[in-house]
Amino acid sequence: GMPVEQNPPALSLYEGADSGLRCNFSTTMKSVQWFQQNHRGRLITLFYLAQGTKENGRLKSTFNSKERYSTLHIKDAQLEDSGTYFCAAHNYAQGLTFGLGTRVSVFP
Amino acid sequence: ETAVFQTPNYHVTQVGNEVSFNCKQTLGHDTMYWYKQDSKKLLKIMFSYNNKQLIVNETVPRRFSPQSSDKAHLNLRIKSVEPEDSAVYLCASSPGQISNERLFFGHGTKLSVL
Repeated sequence: GMPVEQNPPALSLYEGADSGLRCNFSTTMKSVQWFQQNHRGRLITLFYLAQGTKENGRLKSTFNSKERYSTLHIKDAQLEDSGTYFCAAHNYAQGLTFGLGTRVSVFP
Repeated sequence: ETAVFQTPNYHVTQVGNEVSFNCKQTLGHDTMYWYKQDSKKLLKIMFSYNNKQLIVNETVPRRFSPQSSDKAHLNLRIKSVEPEDSAVYLCASSPGQISNERLFFGHGTKLSVL
């Protein structure tokens, strides 16, 4: 299977809702990054994690290398959160591998 | 705040033409990359480069070549474009040696080949 499986492929939210995205890894990864790709196409770095949990405003991300997954949680979704979210996981054998993305649409 | 700058934003050209995309980073990073994002949004690495080493993804056609004047610049040249080259090309940089572990991206250059 894919080294990085990202779910769900698409997510629709109303403003103010909370939701989560997940990446599962087929092998042990050393670190993970989360990106948001906005409507202009730019990939904005959200988080870099080698372990544990990080928070930034309404976003929170967790990386569990042993259990082979990472999550991104969006709290109180806003219209500007719309975009495609990518996780990318790194190990020295495979380098950096991207998931296929989760397309998030936030509605008023 | 943007620290990886790409030009142009868009480029439309015809099959067989040569194109060149520019990328500059102001982060002081040692390594730069070019990624291709296809119509399905899949991101694939094309090149990884620092002043000591160039790593080429073996699937990249030979008409693609990276060009660097210093560690802050990595341009992408496509000699004789093909229709399948239509995509978004994303430049990135990372600190340290080639490991592409922690990336910072530019806003991309969208290429349309007619």
